Amino acid sequence: DAKTTQPNSMESNEEEPVHLPCNHSTISGTDYIHWYRQLPSQGPEYVIHGLTSNVNNRMASLAIAEDRKSSTLILHRATLRDAAVYYCILRDDYGGSQGNLIFGKGTKLSVKP
Amino acid sequence: DSGVTQTPKHLITATGQRVTLRCSPRSGDLSVYWYQQSLDQGLQFLIQYYNGEERAKGNILERFSAQQFPDLHSELNLSSLELGDSALYFCASSVDGEAYEQYFGPGTRLTVT
Repeated sequence: DAKTTQPNSMESNEEEPVHLPCNHSTISGTDYIHWYRQLPSQGPEYVIHGLTSNVNNRMASLAIAEDRKSSTLILHRATLRDAAVYYCILRDDYGGSQGNLIFGKGTKLSVKP
Repeated sequence: DSGVTQTPKHLITATGQRVTLRCSPRSGDLSVYWYQQSLDQGLQFLIQYYNGEERAKGNILERFSAQQFPDLHSELNLSSLELGDSALYFCASSVDGEAYEQYFGPGTRLTVT
């Protein structure tokens, strides 16, 4: 699976939008982009995933660059509960996928009241 | 609550000992994954089972083994424990082996003294 690069940490103010970037310049055509987050003292939690088009769900939005070499996870209004480590993960989900996730170091998001 | 349960929550044991960690997947999920999270290595995939069969193997040591039982619960056995095995062990489950979302349990914290 291709490698991703994320900033080590980011800060945000409560109730403001947060844009978490992820670079994946060696992404292959069959790699899906997955985002998970890990709140303090908890297991990781699925956030969102996408292939080419931008995606929205109740938790967040995922904006994918046209060349797919980068993506951005958008939290529309950060809350204190969103303080977590956010992981951007690439996985080949087409035929033969093994299903496991390869986690990097992620971005630690702090949210200030 | 992800619906994945892990027992015990905490385990303290001595070097050289053997322990068993237990995971019950979400109802209906056929696939179980085991991950190890330590301070220096981050979150690492260990092994995956799908409907009772081993599906994929990651960086799992030979001293570690796992199995998935007919009722789909899984056990991770760690033997000849070393200080470096101290970590958080997470179990995750998904509907099938290639599902996009993995649901993680709360983890078992293992301390080897």
